[in-house]
Amino acid sequence: GESVGLHLPTLSVQEGDNSIINCAYSNSASDYFIWYKQESGKGPQFIIDIRSNMDKRQGQRVTVLLNKTVKHLSLQIAATQPGDSAVYFCAENKAGNNRKLIWGLGTSLAVNP
Amino acid sequence: EPEVTQTPSHQVTQMGQEVILRCVPISNHLYFYWYRQILGQKVEFLVSFYNNEISEKSEIFDDQFSVERPDGSNFTLKIRSTKLEDSAMYFCAITGNVGSPLHFGNGTRLTVT
Repeated sequence: GESVGLHLPTLSVQEGDNSIINCAYSNSASDYFIWYKQESGKGPQFIIDIRSNMDKRQGQRVTVLLNKTVKHLSLQIAATQPGDSAVYFCAENKAGNNRKLIWGLGTSLAVNP
Repeated sequence: EPEVTQTPSHQVTQMGQEVILRCVPISNHLYFYWYRQILGQKVEFLVSFYNNEISEKSEIFDDQFSVERPDGSNFTLKIRSTKLEDSAMYFCAITGNVGSPLHFGNGTRLTVT
């Protein structure tokens, strides 16, 4: 039978602009959250993670924000570059579940030069 | 470059055949995982492996699946009798401890015909 694929949300930005990718997570018991970047033909590449005792964490050009009240996670990319074009996944880990990550659908980021 | 190498990069097999997917970490790690991603769908957890035994598995990981570290280095996923619906990208992931993020290989694309 034919499998129905999920349509990825797409975000299109101009090079140099800031990007914000959003994610709603499902389990209020999750205590660890992580963002991955996946380029075509490659495996997920770790970007940044955050634990539930934090609201914000910054990396190089990236910031993750966690709002536990509404179960929302966002990834901000500053000064977006063409090399940032990829699919971005958020994933959550329920406390005690040894990195049994539950993944979001993914957002496709397209950076226009 | 990924911390883990997966082979083969692409495997085509006929339904009912056995396949073995391999994962070789670059350095010593304690925790190993297999995830899969059916085309156009979410990444899904299959199994976690620690101290030479399965620590957790999903409902996908039925009796047709098995994992092992035959020589203390390679980490393998065996599918005993492949089905059409096993066609997917299979990703190996590793971490040194449960507090650290998972690092993924570039995956094996399994095509069952």
